[in-house]
Amino acid sequence: DGGITQSPKYLFRKEGQNVTLSCEQNLNHDAMYWYRQDPGQGLRLIYYSQIVNDFQKGDIAEGYSVSREKKESFPLTVTSAQKNPTAFYLCASSPEGGRGSNSPLHFGNGTRLTVT
Amino acid sequence: AQSVAQPEDQVNVAEGNPLTVKCTYSVSGNPYLFWYVQYPNRGLQFLLKYITGDNLVKGSYGFEAEFNKSQTSFHLKKPSALVSDSALYFCAVREGAGNNRKLIWGLGTSLAVNP
Repeated sequence: DGGITQSPKYLFRKEGQNVTLSCEQNLNHDAMYWYRQDPGQGLRLIYYSQIVNDFQKGDIAEGYSVSREKKESFPLTVTSAQKNPTAFYLCASSPEGGRGSNSPLHFGNGTRLTVT
Repeated sequence: AQSVAQPEDQVNVAEGNPLTVKCTYSVSGNPYLFWYVQYPNRGLQFLLKYITGDNLVKGSYGFEAEFNKSQTSFHLKKPSALVSDSALYFCAVREGAGNNRKLIWGLGTSLAVNP
């Protein structure tokens, strides 16, 4: 089955540590996205990538970093600079992410990060 | 500025009754509209979209939505609710033309279907 795999499902870290969330897709999609979900705030875009070796900041990129070295992989690093990192993180992909795209997003099942 | 509103944080409906989850939007051009559903501790699943054409769009799991340009609405509907429809529903809009193609998300509506 094609899909998006996010791992781990739950992640616990101490404050001040960097942590990397994995996102892998076998849908052959060009575009990939990272969203953060907090209760009552909906989805907020952190970073997105429309093609390999290219990515752009979303609305809340501060304290996060990404890489897109392979088409199928888009890992997200939550750095110690992120002031409030505890959240549910969702990775998504779409066939293309360019202007005019009407393709729906395919989501992974998320990683719940808790930082104490 | 583009925006999307889901005016109800929570909707309660009895099983077997029709359900409506409301969404209104504001874009400067023609909208691309989407509905997604999220079950607890899971990712979002795409339900349906409106790009152009027939104002009534049919989607997954018996859901449909009606695009109303004059009221700038895209309400999600189902004729007969199931307990298993209980979930969080998100409306999203993208402007269909222009330089800003950002996808804007509503804050979500929690649907509870009571047996």
